[in-house]
Amino acid sequence: EAGVAQSPRYKIIEKRQSVAFWCNPISGHATLYWYQQILGQGPKLLIQFQNNGVVDDSQLPKDRFSAERLKGVDSTLKIQPAKLEDSAVYLCASSLGIRGARTDTQYFGPGTRLTVL
Amino acid sequence: GESVGLHLPTLSVQEGDNSIINCAYSNSASDYFIWYKQESGKGPQFIIDIRSNMDKRQGQRVTVLLNKTVKHLSLQIAATQPGDSAVYFCAEKTSYDKVIFGPGTSLSVIP
Repeated sequence: EAGVAQSPRYKIIEKRQSVAFWCNPISGHATLYWYQQILGQGPKLLIQFQNNGVVDDSQLPKDRFSAERLKGVDSTLKIQPAKLEDSAVYLCASSLGIRGARTDTQYFGPGTRLTVL
Repeated sequence: GESVGLHLPTLSVQEGDNSIINCAYSNSASDYFIWYKQESGKGPQFIIDIRSNMDKRQGQRVTVLLNKTVKHLSLQIAATQPGDSAVYFCAEKTSYDKVIFGPGTSLSVIP
């Protein structure tokens, strides 16, 4: 079974530039998550989709971050404009999306390491 | 709000010894916990989970213990191997299906 795919794996940009990350979840997974992981910390949820609808985006800095999952499969996360503090690994995860099933396991991709100079 | 935290940011163990990684949580209503393993350059990987109606759960070479009285859980790895070197996160899954990660413990296995 193919895992969660993410691209690019690495990205270096200057502050105030824009950047986009792409995620392809495991086939058949209805729920997709974007996390931000700052060096030395645990992942922090940015946004959660159920199919193509947003379930939780309470931690997403909406003045500069946006995400979409138009057809309920692939997703993109964009930062515009980037700040120095956005340097982090951006992780995408997916799960079957069985609502209320506490054991609905999340499977993570390898992440995109973003460096903002 | 919810929070989970670990007692030690780093842990070194001799190959073949048992490892114990500890975690504390603050919300007494928390009822579902997950341990993840993250190797360098990879995303977190599910290891084992435990519900609050249990105080112990065992997997292959791993055991999770939950003490609800003191709001503490631990991950025990038996006969630690070099491949166990990674960062380990305890996480809480809230009633809204949101996973909240702790800061992580980096485990180093000494050959």
